[in-house]
Amino acid sequence: GAGVSQSPRYKVAKRGQDVALRCDPISGHVSLFWYQQALGQGPEFLTYFQNEAQLDKSGLPSDRFFAERPEGSVSTLKIQRTQQEDSAVYLCASSSRAQRRNEKLFFGSGTQLSVL
Amino acid sequence: QKEVEQDPGPLSVPEGAIVSLNCTYSNSAFQYFMWYRQYSRKGPELLMYTYSSGNKEDGRFTAQVDKSSKYISLFIRDSQPSDSATYLCAMSAAYSGAGSYQLTFGKGTKLSVIP
Repeated sequence: GAGVSQSPRYKVAKRGQDVALRCDPISGHVSLFWYQQALGQGPEFLTYFQNEAQLDKSGLPSDRFFAERPEGSVSTLKIQRTQQEDSAVYLCASSSRAQRRNEKLFFGSGTQLSVL
Repeated sequence: QKEVEQDPGPLSVPEGAIVSLNCTYSNSAFQYFMWYRQYSRKGPELLMYTYSSGNKEDGRFTAQVDKSSKYISLFIRDSQPSDSATYLCAMSAAYSGAGSYQLTFGKGTKLSVIP
């Protein structure tokens, strides 16, 4: 389909493991965002890319979280040494232009991460 | 106190009812206001977008923003079972630089429309 695709759909990790979550944005979309959504909460901003440049990473909760988008398309969110508090749905969103306030974001269905 | 407050519900209404959802916020810099709908196990989908104060109507949906009261609302007329979902308010500020790209979401209100 033509939407934002995220994989895996579900990920179970043991505490201390590293995980990598993948996002395929809509083809040609310039802007890409990662959000974290805990159970019963709204999404919380993690980071923003404009093409391959990471313009804002102010929402990453610790240095265990790292995101990249090396060729300005696919993005990977990596979490090192996972902790139980990292359990959440990780949402990726993209938009067609450099971010303006009224840009429509298209969200993927997310990766549900469970850390045991 | 969080920047955006939203009653999580759940809210249950009969089919055909008018639904009123709302959020309050504390950050005076918020200028852009959105409502997203999120079905179970899906990502949020933009429903309505409003800049600054005023009303906006789109079909059965009406969004209202009252900046003086820091209060926004979404009304759904003639509600349908297919409207059953979680409704998230979201806001962003007008300043530039780090932090300006992000949306700040409410907790979401879970709505069930009973046939």
